[in-house]
Amino acid sequence: DTAVSQTPKYLVTQMGNDKSIKCEQNLGHDTMYWYKQDSKKFLKIMFSYNNKELIINETVPNRFSPKSPDKAHLNLHINSLELGDSAVYFCASSNPGTEIYGYTFGSGTRLTVV
Amino acid sequence: GEDVEQSLFLSVREGDSSVINCTYTDSSSTYLYWYKQEPGAGLQLLTYIFSNMDMKQDQRLTVLLNKKDKHLSLRIADTQTGDSAIYFCAEMRYSSASKIIFGSGTRLSIRP
Repeated sequence: DTAVSQTPKYLVTQMGNDKSIKCEQNLGHDTMYWYKQDSKKFLKIMFSYNNKELIINETVPNRFSPKSPDKAHLNLHINSLELGDSAVYFCASSNPGTEIYGYTFGSGTRLTVV
Repeated sequence: GEDVEQSLFLSVREGDSSVINCTYTDSSSTYLYWYKQEPGAGLQLLTYIFSNMDMKQDQRLTVLLNKKDKHLSLRIADTQTGDSAIYFCAEMRYSSASKIIFGSGTRLSIRP
């Protein structure tokens, strides 16, 4: 299937733990993004990578560290998890020039910190 | 949302038209979008409109853009139960790089 896929779909973990969320796209896109959706459904961009290089960092705490091993993958590692990190995290991708037609989103990872 | 505003809730009767409204503040916005999020699901791009257009129609969906008032609307004709979802208005912004900024979302519920 042609898509943006995220794993895991659900993640429940204790405060203070370190966890990673993975994202892969097989659309051949150059740019990938992480968005956070809070409990009120507000969506906010966190990071953007273009061809493995960080291009947007929206003042996210440095406990969050994205990593892009290649342009098809953008992983999100979170250290010392806090209750406020509980949210749904969405990965997305696009291509320069065609991003004007919108981003393609994954189905989300619901992170619950207890 | 960040300067893209929508009302939070809309309830319509099945078969009626739904109109979801959005206002944005960036007058230079050139690309605007409507995304749909069904319960427990990801974000699905419904449609987009460019600032050189006033209207775009796609089957049951009609998008109207009023650039003077910075107002965007999404009309869903003959609303069905499957249209129950959260609808997000969004705009493309350019600073150092492009990014899509979302409104707060409008939860559409359908009553029989």
